[in-house]
Amino acid sequence: GENVEQHPSTLSVQEGDSAVIKCTYSDSASNYFPWYKQELGKRPQLIIDIRSNVGEKKDQRIAVTLNKTAKHFSLHITETQPEDSAVYFCAASLGGGADGLTFGKGTHLIIQP
Amino acid sequence: ETGVTQTPRHLVMGMTNKKSLKCEQHLGHNAMYWYKQSAKKPLELMFVYSLEERVENNSVPSRFSPECPNSSHLFLHLHTLQPEDSALYLCASSQDIYGGSGSTGELFFGEGSRLTVL
Repeated sequence: GENVEQHPSTLSVQEGDSAVIKCTYSDSASNYFPWYKQELGKRPQLIIDIRSNVGEKKDQRIAVTLNKTAKHFSLHITETQPEDSAVYFCAASLGGGADGLTFGKGTHLIIQP
Repeated sequence: ETGVTQTPRHLVMGMTNKKSLKCEQHLGHNAMYWYKQSAKKPLELMFVYSLEERVENNSVPSRFSPECPNSSHLFLHLHTLQPEDSALYLCASSQDIYGGSGSTGELFFGEGSRLTVL
């Protein structure tokens, strides 16, 4: 089955700096890669996703890049703000949808004032 | 109430008790899921229902028993649990289980039920 590795497990950055979280996946047939954000005590929520026919996708301060050859994808957050503090999960799916998602272990992003 | 709601939010039970977790979605989705979230571990998919039919059971012990009476409601019945079953149990829904053809792959999660087994 699919295996998703996520790094780092904890990331601390100064407010205003950029943050990058990286994930690798094992199954080259995976074609859907979402990122979820979970604030403390709250539910996980989708923040951005990318499909395998696209190399990069942006939404305001967040972007995701996908390298199919190397089987890795990354989340980039620019101009970080205190509300970006949360746990971020990457995931990969073979079916292109919500079923069969394999999640990474999560990255705890801490924004230092 | 909109979105996905779960009850109870917190549950403490002994190893011999029987309890149930409830999930309700108000989004008109066709698929519902149970996930287990433990500290320092990835989200673990437990069960998937599509149009009230169970489509996936990821080798979950029989002490967890799901029930989906209709596409809006999902239950997780618990009996003779172990202390290692203590975790946050998240319910989620999605438009369909497969993406494409106008259907997104987005999961909508509930707030979770925090379970402690003594």
